[in-house]
Amino acid sequence: AQSVTQPDIHITVSEGASLELRCNYSYGATPYLFWYVQSPGQGLQLLLKYFSGDTLVQGIKGFEAEFKRSQSSFNLRKPSVHWSDAAEYFCSLNTGFQKLVFGTGTRLLVSP
Amino acid sequence: DTGVSQDPRHKITKRGQNVTFRCDPISEHNRLYWYRQTLGQGPEFLTYFQNEAQLEKSRLLSDRFSAERPKGSFSTLEIQRTEQGDSAMYLCASSFGSDSYNSPLHFGNGTRLTVT
Repeated sequence: AQSVTQPDIHITVSEGASLELRCNYSYGATPYLFWYVQSPGQGLQLLLKYFSGDTLVQGIKGFEAEFKRSQSSFNLRKPSVHWSDAAEYFCSLNTGFQKLVFGTGTRLLVSP
Repeated sequence: DTGVSQDPRHKITKRGQNVTFRCDPISEHNRLYWYRQTLGQGPEFLTYFQNEAQLEKSRLLSDRFSAERPKGSFSTLEIQRTEQGDSAMYLCASSFGSDSYNSPLHFGNGTRLTVT
């Protein structure tokens, strides 16, 4: 079965603190993974992608993600969160021809 | 690159009415996708086009839904005899690619449909 699980519905982080959003996937072949961010009422913006090679990938806005095949995980991290990072974050899996399977999302709240 | 444009941004309709949404992809992109996002969920794939050909439709796309991309540029998504369960955000995305795994999607801001 092809699926993406984001176990945390909401996460609250203090501004300036570090962030890690969890993502686990289930897929029978080599996974092609993405993280997207969505602000209220907006579409999705690509943060970063993993296709192959280096398991630590860098993205925009200071985000990075680490692919761990043994744990079927692709967690998103940021060393220091800014108030403007408050949004909903979606992990997704490409099942071919960009037919993405998305997780249910994690809403990030940033406290002052 | 003016981005993916969707029209209208919001649509309120009564149950049983027909609605049509439009998507203008990034001009050089040959692939166009429709996704649906309900409250509290991630987007779900509906259908996609490569140029003017509709190559795949999800089983989520009932017979009341039809999508077209007549000249390989803009696309329309029509829902006939709308039901309250059709209330959702309809997202369009485009990409340029010749293989199945590269070329990440660029999403529009969506059309939010409310069926009363």
